[in-house]
Formats: sequence, structure tokens, C-alpha cells
Amino acid sequence: NAGVTQTPKFQVLKTGQSMTLQCAQDMNHEYMSWYRQDPGMGLRLIHYSVGAGITDQGEVPNGYNVSRSTTEDFPLRLLSAAPSQTSVYFCASSSTRGKAKNIQYFGAGTRLSVL
Amino acid sequence: GQNIDQPTEMTATEGAIVQINCTYQTSGFNGLFWYQQHAGEAPTFLSYNVLDGLEEKGRFSSFLSRSKGYSYLLLKELQMKDSASYLCAAPPSGGSYIPTFGRGTSLIVHP
Repeated sequence: NAGVTQTPKFQVLKTGQSMTLQCAQDMNHEYMSWYRQDPGMGLRLIHYSVGAGITDQGEVPNGYNVSRSTTEDFPLRLLSAAPSQTSVYFCASSSTRGKAKNIQYFGAGTRLSVL
Repeated sequence: GQNIDQPTEMTATEGAIVQINCTYQTSGFNGLFWYQQHAGEAPTFLSYNVLDGLEEKGRFSSFLSRSKGYSYLLLKELQMKDSASYLCAAPPSGGSYIPTFGRGTSLIVHP
């Protein structure tokens, strides 16, 4: 089982550029979410999805878009990158059923620098 | 909303016991999670408490008091590899079960 796969692992952008962070899970989890992690700030929720076709905003959604066209994929789009978006981004998925209910499984992270 | 507090940093000696506390104020209650995160890596699940009391899992135990909005993670027989950040997390009741995370407690284990 691959679990949660994020690409790329590292990315450097110039201010104003756009890009998409990819996230895929092969566990048939209903829930998927994107967090950013900054020093001293912990994990903050950007956007989440409770199923294909359904997305919602988290704590820090501005500057980011998401879509969930399939159960497996949940890409995060930066529309116009800003230095304040320099961070480590984690994608996570979880199931609503079974012994592992509500446990978050994280991807390895994407380290993004915006110059 | 969710409000989760935990200490920023703790240090302990190899072989000792350490307790990491977490207090929370949530809109409803849907369980309390602990995750471990080594530097440069993703968080991984450690424990989940939904009922009051102590859950033991090897060297790690987690305690919950719902009436006090309080949890702790107890690490026994500390090893150097336990140096990591420990994150407390609580999902809201109703709707999604996507949790809010505390800022994490950085544990440094020294010889």
C-alpha cells in the first residue's frame, strides 16, 4: 500500500507564479485535507473534502483552491504564489469507518519556497 | 471552534518518564488524538482516546478527562529516538471529523 502520495517533495516558485500540489491516496478514504505547517504555528487546515465533489474551507484558505473529482485525488492549487505561502504542506486522508476511523494518514509533505 | 494548548518544549533524560499535557476547548467532543512527528517527517498516529481513563500501548500511554478538557501523553523508558514533536488533536463534533491540531510539544531526550 502506497498510502498518501504527495508530489513534488520540494518546489521553489517566484512571486506570482501558480502551481498545483498533487495528493493521491489508495486507501479508499472518504476524507482528505490539506494542512500547512510553519515554525511555531503547528498544523493549520487549509481546505478539506468529505467526499468526491465536496470541498470546504479550513482555517487558512485564502490564496488556495482545491477540487475533488475522484475519491483518490485532492490537488491543491496556489493561484498566485506569495512569500507568505512559503511553508511545508501536508496532505492527509482518513476513513469514517472501521478500527482506523478518523485517524489521519499523512503524505510525506511538500516543502515550498516562494521567492 | 477548537482551542488546544500544549507546552512548546520539554527536555528529559534517556530512560526517564515524561508527561506531555494537552488542554482543549472544543465545540462538542469527538475524541482526542496524539501524533508523533520527527523532524523533517510527516506526523504519524500514536493514540486515540474517546472515553475517560488511561489507554496503554507499550511504552506510550494516553489519558483523557473529558470533564476537565485535559489529556496527557506519558512516555516511559525514554529513548533517544523519542526526540520528536508530539501533537495533540481534536476533531469537532458533527459534520467533518477533520481535526484541529495543537502547536505541538518538542521533546528533546538527552543522554
